[in-house]
Amino acid sequence: QSVLTQPPSASGTPGQTVTISCSGSRSNILSNSVNWYQQVPGAAPKLLIYTNDQRPSGVPDRFSGSKSGTSASLAISGLQSEDEADYYCATWDDSLNGFWVFGGGTKLTVL
Amino acid sequence: EVQLVESGGGVAQPGGSLRLSCAASGFPFDDYGMHWVRQVPGKGLQWVALLNWDGGTTYYGDSVKGRFTISRDNTKNFLYLQMNSLRPEDTALYYCARGAYGSGTLDLDYWGQGTLVTVSS
Repeated sequence: QSVLTQPPSASGTPGQTVTISCSGSRSNILSNSVNWYQQVPGAAPKLLIYTNDQRPSGVPDRFSGSKSGTSASLAISGLQSEDEADYYCATWDDSLNGFWVFGGGTKLTVL
Repeated sequence: EVQLVESGGGVAQPGGSLRLSCAASGFPFDDYGMHWVRQVPGKGLQWVALLNWDGGTTYYGDSVKGRFTISRDNTKNFLYLQMNSLRPEDTALYYCARGAYGSGTLDLDYWGQGTLVTVSS
């Protein structure tokens, strides 16, 4: 069981907006920045969002991130078929000597 | 263009050892921290280890602490993961990923394609 909790699945139809949540605690999300990754089958994870709400160059503005307290969210607007993938949140955890943690992942299905 | 290419994966027996390598190019390697992250096929991502830019500070996940050692050669632009006392549960695809520049918050931004480690008798 991951330190960061994500719903195992999410779905939406083309054009809709889907939101994926990531719940943590004061030692991780509350205290540190959150990244979001997209992983399509057979490929390496791709960074979508860093520092809670920043998009790397080349990532469409349909993808947006936010953070509030001990939770973070990834929103995907104007859903497209190619958005079907696994999505992971990640952040640093300050407990013990410190370590990175990933959420368990959310499989997004575009209906 | 940032490129990370892992190698060294293969089959090892329980209790055995393997050394993974990651060749980095396209960025000033000695300015960045570097990570190893693993993924059991069909499962989620699990962070393994982090090494800062000069190799002076390391962090490890609980499941590998005391068994795995992360290191780097900044003269050759290589990252390594020495894996000892391997267990069947270490079977996974191992990715290297670029860490932060200095104390910046952009971290784990570029990933290699991974190298597969299988621990089985």
